[in-house]
Amino acid sequence: DAGVTQSPTHLIKTRGQQVTLRCSPKSGHDTVSWYQQALGQGPQFIFQYYEEEERQRGNFPDRFSGHQFPNYSSELNVNALLLGDSALYLCASSLWGWDTEAFFGQGTRLTVV
Amino acid sequence: DQQVKQNSPSLSVQEGRISILNCDYTNSMFDYFLWYKKYPAEGPTFLISISSIKDKNEDGRFTVFLNKSAKHLSLHIVPSQPGDSAVYFCAARPPNTGNQFYFGTGTSLTVIP
Repeated sequence: DAGVTQSPTHLIKTRGQQVTLRCSPKSGHDTVSWYQQALGQGPQFIFQYYEEEERQRGNFPDRFSGHQFPNYSSELNVNALLLGDSALYLCASSLWGWDTEAFFGQGTRLTVV
Repeated sequence: DQQVKQNSPSLSVQEGRISILNCDYTNSMFDYFLWYKKYPAEGPTFLISISSIKDKNEDGRFTVFLNKSAKHLSLHIVPSQPGDSAVYFCAARPPNTGNQFYFGTGTSLTVIP
């Protein structure tokens, strides 16, 4: 079992550009959540996808959007990048509606210059 | 609005002694709590969880205590080992949110051999 996999691991983008991050959930999981972790902070919830729909959303602007595919994998898109978007982006997978832990990927380190 | 707080950024403990990591929360609706451990360049790894219907949960050297009236939970590690050195995050979830977690800012634990 490969667990949660994210790609790419590192990315450098220029302010104003757009970026797409990808996540494959742990086998058997149907729910994918995305988190942003700034340096020295805890992960902040961005949004969550289940059955290809956004189910929950945190306090992030519309520049942050996502998608879930029929195979449960997910993408996070960020438009009009700002310097403040530089962070570690974590994907977590879980089973919807169960009291189980979320399994995290190793993250994508995004640097906006 | 930081709904989950870890007020100690760092903690140092001698090998073999007890490590106690603390976490406070403000939302009385949280019904599920977890502790994650994070090593540099890796995603958070699940450690232990507790439901709001319990006040204690043990797993080997790790015990989590929940005090709902005080909105406080703690993680005890006994005995502490050098391999336990990592950043520890507590996380909490409101009900019916499909695993939307609120994280604290983390406590960096150093176990001194």
